[in-house]
Amino acid sequence: DQQVKQNSPSLSVQEGRISILNCDYTNSMFDYFLWYKKYPAEGPTFLISISSIKDKNEDGRFTVFLNKSAKHLSLHIVPSQPGDSAVYFCAARANQGGKLIFGQGTELSVKP
Amino acid sequence: NAGVTQTPKFRVLKTGQSMTLLCAQDMNHEYMYWYRQDPGMGLRLIHYSVGEGTTAKGEVPDGYNVSRLKKQNFLLGLESAAPSQTSVYFCASSPADEKLFFGSGTQLSVL
Repeated sequence: DQQVKQNSPSLSVQEGRISILNCDYTNSMFDYFLWYKKYPAEGPTFLISISSIKDKNEDGRFTVFLNKSAKHLSLHIVPSQPGDSAVYFCAARANQGGKLIFGQGTELSVKP
Repeated sequence: NAGVTQTPKFRVLKTGQSMTLLCAQDMNHEYMYWYRQDPGMGLRLIHYSVGEGTTAKGEVPDGYNVSRLKKQNFLLGLESAAPSQTSVYFCASSPADEKLFFGSGTQLSVL
């Protein structure tokens, strides 16, 4: 039972354009959401997060949007750069200090 | 600052062999986790620990055991390895909040 789903295994975007990565979840008890970025042969690194009391959080080129009614979040990268090419995982947790549940990941390729 | 260190980085086992993966963190984090990454499956939680001497099951705990005898170390054991345990294993740690810090992973192949 996949509680966090990333339905697009891959995404290809032109440099300078916007990248939009999507994530859906089923557990209405999730109250905190994170995005991680992973390069080959490295561990995932934290990118950006959002609490369920907010609907948007921005950090430089990265913005995460949360739609609680649709149980959907998205990560926007503007403008996309070749160095953004990586696998992106969304994750969610249901209570303070609770375990993080990850999605399957989306591989982003930003072409020059 | 080393962060989260995993050893070994690569290992090949034969079916039925046993091994232990070691995770060490130097950030004084309370929580530690073991995940496995498989194609199309993302990161799945195997076991985790919310403090020294405690362990708990995650999403896919079968076939694995863990121990947290010291706060800085979290060991993942495979008593009798199976080909289905071929995967990339990631250890992570966190303070008592949401942000996890990951190690660089262990590539395990079971033949």
